Amino acid sequence: LAKTTQPISMDSYEGQEVNITCSHNNIATNDYITWYQQFPSQGPRFIIQGYKTKVTNEVASLFIPADRKSSTLSLPRVSLSDTAVYYCLVRDTAAGNKLTFGGGTRVLVKP
Amino acid sequence: GAGVSQSPSNKVTEKGKDVELRCDPISGHTALYWYRQRLGQGLEFLIYFQGNSAPDKSGLPSDRFSAERTGESVSTLTIQRTQQEDSAVYLCASSLTSGDSSEAFFGQGTRLTVV
Repeated sequence: LAKTTQPISMDSYEGQEVNITCSHNNIATNDYITWYQQFPSQGPRFIIQGYKTKVTNEVASLFIPADRKSSTLSLPRVSLSDTAVYYCLVRDTAAGNKLTFGGGTRVLVKP
Repeated sequence: GAGVSQSPSNKVTEKGKDVELRCDPISGHTALYWYRQRLGQGLEFLIYFQGNSAPDKSGLPSDRFSAERTGESVSTLTIQRTQQEDSAVYLCASSLTSGDSSEAFFGQGTRLTVV
C-alpha cells in the first residue's frame, strides 16, 4: 500500500496559485494518483486523477514527474471558497482500487 | 436521488446502546466504502465492498463494528455497545471500478454523538 505524505497546512491569498506536493515513494506500477477536496461538514469531492505527466481540468492541474514518486496539485488563482482540506491518495489497484486517505493539507485562502 | 444518501444525518445515542447507520449508494456502483472522521482529523478507512468479492474489513477498529451490503445496493454499518470514542462523522462513498474510472462519490455523512 503506497503511503502518501503531504504538508499539514498552507496559507495563501486570493488570486494566487497554490501548489501542494504529495510524496508517494512506493507507488506501484498500476497505481493512479487521485486528489480530493473536503469542505467543512461535507464529504470529500473528487478533483482530479492522473497516472503520469500532466492532467488539467476546469478545477486544477496535476503534475506527475517521470518517476511518479511525487505529484503536485496546482490550484490557479484561488478564491476564498477554495479554503478546504485537500487529500492526496494513491488508488491501490492491488487491493481492488481501495481508497485510503491520509491526513490531507488544510489550505486557508485569505482576502 | 442521484447521489449517495446516508441516514440518519445526526444520531445521538447513550453509551452502551447499538446504532445502525445506513448508506444508499449511487445505482450501479459496485464499490462501497465506509470511513470514520473524528473532529479535525482525516478520513479513517473502515470497510470496503467490491461487487461479490469478500469485503475488506481491515479498517474496522474492533469487533463492535460490523457492516453488511445487500448485493450492490444499500449498506448498513452497525456499532454495538457504543463508546464515547465512537463519536465521529461516518462517511459512505460509492464508485464504479471498471476500467480507469474510480471517482468516489461521498454522502453527507452521519454525525454520531455518544453521550
